[in-house]
Amino acid sequence: GAGVSQSPRYKVAKRGQDVALRCDPISGHVSLFWYQQALGQGPEFLTYFQNEAQLDKSGLPSDRFFAERPEGSVSTLKIQRTQQEDSAVYLCASSSSGRYNEQFFGPGTRLTVL
Amino acid sequence: DQQVKQNSPSLSVQEGRISILNCDYTNSMFDYFLWYKKYPAEGPTFLISISSIKDKNEDGRFTVFLNKSAKHLSLHIVPSQPGDSAVYFCAAKEGGSEKLVFGKGTKLTVNP
Repeated sequence: GAGVSQSPRYKVAKRGQDVALRCDPISGHVSLFWYQQALGQGPEFLTYFQNEAQLDKSGLPSDRFFAERPEGSVSTLKIQRTQQEDSAVYLCASSSSGRYNEQFFGPGTRLTVL
Repeated sequence: DQQVKQNSPSLSVQEGRISILNCDYTNSMFDYFLWYKKYPAEGPTFLISISSIKDKNEDGRFTVFLNKSAKHLSLHIVPSQPGDSAVYFCAAKEGGSEKLVFGKGTKLTVNP
């Protein structure tokens, strides 16, 4: 596909369950980002990869959140022991190298924790 | 503590008129600013950007103005079209960082 894809689009989890969210970036994009968007808020940065290296994880809210990009392409955001405050849309973005290159966003995964 | 602020949650304008969306920031280390547009159930899409060395950037119907001394930027859309109805996010990057810092967004409605 031409754009960033994310799966699943919707996920409902019971409190305490583990979830895994997938992101397929645009082919050839070096940089990959994860953002969390709560209802009525703007996206908030979680973490950033350049190829397979996680260069910034300062936005991850707790050690229950873990992200990986082992081969420098597909990325997975894992949330362990989900809590109700984890309910949000999780957005993935990718860009080519160069700080003035735009970030292209996927449609997001809407996570609801009951 | 919000570093990027969009103080108007919503804006309504008539088709053909100008839409002006405002954004204020507090971090003086921001040196690159972007506007994104978001439709429901879709991810944000890039609209236009401006570097801190400029005070204006224009792309078709969209113009972004930057006032560094006031730490303020605005997005002008002229003429506004019904298809412009969406949520608009202001975002900023700090020098040396790749992450985007977003405002809360302004919902624009363009009435036919």
